[in-house]
Amino acid sequence: GQQLNQSPQSMFIQEGEDVSMNCTSSSIFNTWLWYKQDPGEGPVLLIALYKAGELTSNGRLTAQFGITRKDSFLNISASIPSDVGIYFCAGNYQGGKLIFGQGTELSVKP
Amino acid sequence: GAGVSQTPSNKVTEKGKYVELRCDPISGHTALYWYRQSLGQGPEFLIYFQGTGAADDSGLPNDRFFAVRPEGSVSTLKIQRTERGDSAVYLCASSSLTGLNQPQHFGDGTRLSIL
Repeated sequence: GQQLNQSPQSMFIQEGEDVSMNCTSSSIFNTWLWYKQDPGEGPVLLIALYKAGELTSNGRLTAQFGITRKDSFLNISASIPSDVGIYFCAGNYQGGKLIFGQGTELSVKP
Repeated sequence: GAGVSQTPSNKVTEKGKYVELRCDPISGHTALYWYRQSLGQGPEFLIYFQGTGAADDSGLPNDRFFAVRPEGSVSTLKIQRTERGDSAVYLCASSSLTGLNQPQHFGDGTRLSIL
C-alpha cells in the first residue's frame, strides 16, 4: 500500500533557527497536507498543497508540493518556542483517505 | 464550539467489553472520517462517510469494528469484544465535501485504554 517516509524523526531547535522537514513516497499523491499536533490534541492543519510544483506560505511556514508528486517539504523560519510539537505530512490520492507520515518531533534545545 | 467534537475524551474498559465512540462533525460538513493513532505513530485511516453511507471502509481492521452515521451528521464508531491491541487514540475529522480540495479538520480524539 501507499506509505510516506517522513524525516527527520526528531530535531532540536533553538529560538530563531530555521527548520526543515520532508516527506517522500513511492506513490504519487494529488494533495499534500501538513499538520501540527500538540500533546493531547488532534492534528491542526497548517498548509494544504493541491498542485505539483506549488509553493505555499502561511506566516513563517512554507511548504512545497514536489514536481514528481511524490514528495513535499515544510520549512519553518525563525522558530519560536510555540513551534514545539509533532508535525505530520499527509497525502491524498483519491477519495477521502489520507495517508500520514510517522511525524517529526520538534523540541527545544536544552 | 465550531470544531469537531469527540466524546468521551477518555475511555478505560476491560478486555472483551463493547465500546462506542461518538463524533460530532463541524456543522454543515458532509464528509466524516475516522482514524486511529497509536503512540508515536501518525494517524491511520479507518473509514469515511459521505452523507449517511460509508464511502470507504477499507481501513477497518476486522469485523469487530463498525461505524454508523444514520442521519448524515453525528457518527458512532463501535468496537465489539475489545482487545488490548485496540488501545489507541481514535480521531475523527470532517470536511465540507469529499475530495482532493477539501482539507480535513480533526477533533481532539478519544483515548481508549483496554485493560
